[in-house]
This record gives sequence, structure tokens and C-alpha cells, in this order.
Amino acid sequence: AQSVTQPDIHITVSEGASLELRCNYSYGATPYLFWYVQSPGQGLQLLLKYFSGDTLVQGIKGFEAEFKRSQSSFNLRKPSVHWSDAAEYFCAVGESGGGADGLTFGKGTHLIIQP
Amino acid sequence: NAGVTQTPKFRVLKTGQSMTLLCAQDMNHEYMYWYRQDPGMGLRLIHYSVGEGTTAKGEVPDGYNVSRLKKQNFLLGLESAAPSQTSVYFCATARWSAREETQYFGPGTRLLVL
Repeated sequence: AQSVTQPDIHITVSEGASLELRCNYSYGATPYLFWYVQSPGQGLQLLLKYFSGDTLVQGIKGFEAEFKRSQSSFNLRKPSVHWSDAAEYFCAVGESGGGADGLTFGKGTHLIIQP
Repeated sequence: NAGVTQTPKFRVLKTGQSMTLLCAQDMNHEYMYWYRQDPGMGLRLIHYSVGEGTTAKGEVPDGYNVSRLKKQNFLLGLESAAPSQTSVYFCATARWSAREETQYFGPGTRLLVL
């Protein structure tokens, strides 16, 4: 069965500093990978996704992620964070077919932005 | 377009009571999903549907039933609520064709079982 690990439960970053959120997955075939963001009391919003092709994918709000098959990783990055980026971030993996049978989520990373 | 809506937004139940959560979508998506979110656990799939009249079990289906009588609606039922079902429930929809492999989430339903 597939699984997703987000090693960092909480991360604190100063406003304007760079950010990297880690995600490792376990899946036998080519994974479909997603990053979602959840603001307090809200639903989930898709930041970006990877299905195939270029291993560096660009998303909304200035985020990007890099798929590294050799490391089974799909880390999320942003060069300069804003206070509005404070939220919960979830990495997810779908089975072949894009996750039609549902996604498997990591436990999330809570991002705190220091002024 | 409303996208994905969930009814109710918040509910308190007593142990043993029953209730139904409604997910409605106006995006004409084939696929619909119910997840639950618990602190420190991320989201876990309860049930899903790949089309009208079809349902399938996810990772944590016990204690829940679902129905998809109409394409736009996906109902999640709790026949006899238990405190362990206290959670935030999210519905999601997707159209898995033409590379539209993205799940769109509703705002969630907070359920407290006493």
C-alpha cells in the first residue's frame, strides 16, 4: 500500500526567508503527487501536482516542488514566504490513474511565519 | 457556481444517534469522495464513488454508509454515532479524464459526538 511521510510536524520560518517542506512517499509504480494547503477552518486548496514529465513543477502562490524518484521525495519550496503562507500543508499520493480511487495523505506540516 | 458544498457545517450528536452528511457539486464531476480529518492524522479516505449508483470502500469505512443516487450528490451516513467518529469530514470531487486529475474539496463538516 502507498504511504506518505511528512517528517516535520511544525516548521517556523521568518517572513521573507526561503521554505522547504519535506515529503517522502512509498509507492511501487510511478506516483501521482500533490501538495495541498489548508488555512484554519478551511477546506484544502491544490498548490501543485506532478504526474509525469518535468520533475520540477510550478504551482500557485509562488510554490514549486521537485520530484526525485531516487529519493522517493517530492519536496515543496518557496523562495520567500509571506505571512499569509501560514497554514497546514499536506502532501498526497495517488495510485496509477491519477488517484481515481482516492488519495493517501501525509499527516501534514504546520507552517508558522515569524515577523 | 458553488463548486462543492457540504451540509451541515457543524453538528453535535449523542452516542447512538444517526445522521446524514450531504455533499453537493455543480461541476458535473464523475468521482466523489468522503474523507475524515483528525488531529495529527491527515486526511483518510472513508468511501468514494466513481459514478452515479456506484460506491466503494476506502481506508476507514467502518461505521459509515454512503449513497450516490444522483450524480451531483454524495451522502455519508452514520447509523449509530460513536465518540470515535468525532472529526472533520471533507467531501471532494474529481473528473478523471482529459488529464483533469485534481480533487476539489468542500469546506468541511465538523461533527462532535458526545
